[in-house]
Amino acid sequence: GAVVSQHPSWVICKSGTSVKIECRSLDFQATTMFWYRQFPKQSLMLMATSNEGSKATYEQGVEKDKFLINHASLTLSTLTVTSAHPEDSSFYICSAPGRGLNTEAFFGQGTRLTVV
Amino acid sequence: LAKTTQPISMDSYEGQEVNITCSHNNIATNDYITWYQQFPSQGPRFIIQGYKTKVTNEVASLFIPADRKSSTLSLPRVSLSDTAVYYCLVGEPGRRALTFGSGTRLQVQP
Repeated sequence: GAVVSQHPSWVICKSGTSVKIECRSLDFQATTMFWYRQFPKQSLMLMATSNEGSKATYEQGVEKDKFLINHASLTLSTLTVTSAHPEDSSFYICSAPGRGLNTEAFFGQGTRLTVV
Repeated sequence: LAKTTQPISMDSYEGQEVNITCSHNNIATNDYITWYQQFPSQGPRFIIQGYKTKVTNEVASLFIPADRKSSTLSLPRVSLSDTAVYYCLVGEPGRRALTFGSGTRLQVQP
């Protein structure tokens, strides 16, 4: 089946620094990718929709200047957490929709971000 | 998007059949029902998807009554490795982002 690869799997950074997370579709092209955030013991919450060749659309309450999304090609979307703070520590997951209507979505392995 | 309701947690023992029911009273005509499994610190993994009646694959079965207002994921003979969170989602996965509910935390005991 289709694979979505996310990198890195985990990262620790200092407060105030920026961290980039990559999401790649390995054997298919994805014009759209979704970014989710998941806090411990909670469900996945959609942060934004990444659109190839155009601006990302953000969910209400998500700061677009803090969570920069770039979808420069049909196989790569990146999420950059800028000026990270401890409260940004979370599990970030990307996904790509299925290749047809009403088909399964494909998820990356997730990235555990810890800001110290 | 249709909202889903499922039990917060369930406990079972190895070898038993586990049935997790999900309510989705506001399901739309074009919506499909999809179940995902998530282990700690991993992305969700697709289990099964259906529109109506019964769907079975090598991992699970999905039962959907005629009114489609609920669905039941059936896991036959669970093992310890089935301990995970199971999410029931309703929507058109090929079109837009999925909305995750609280999920059901399944704990399988030896």
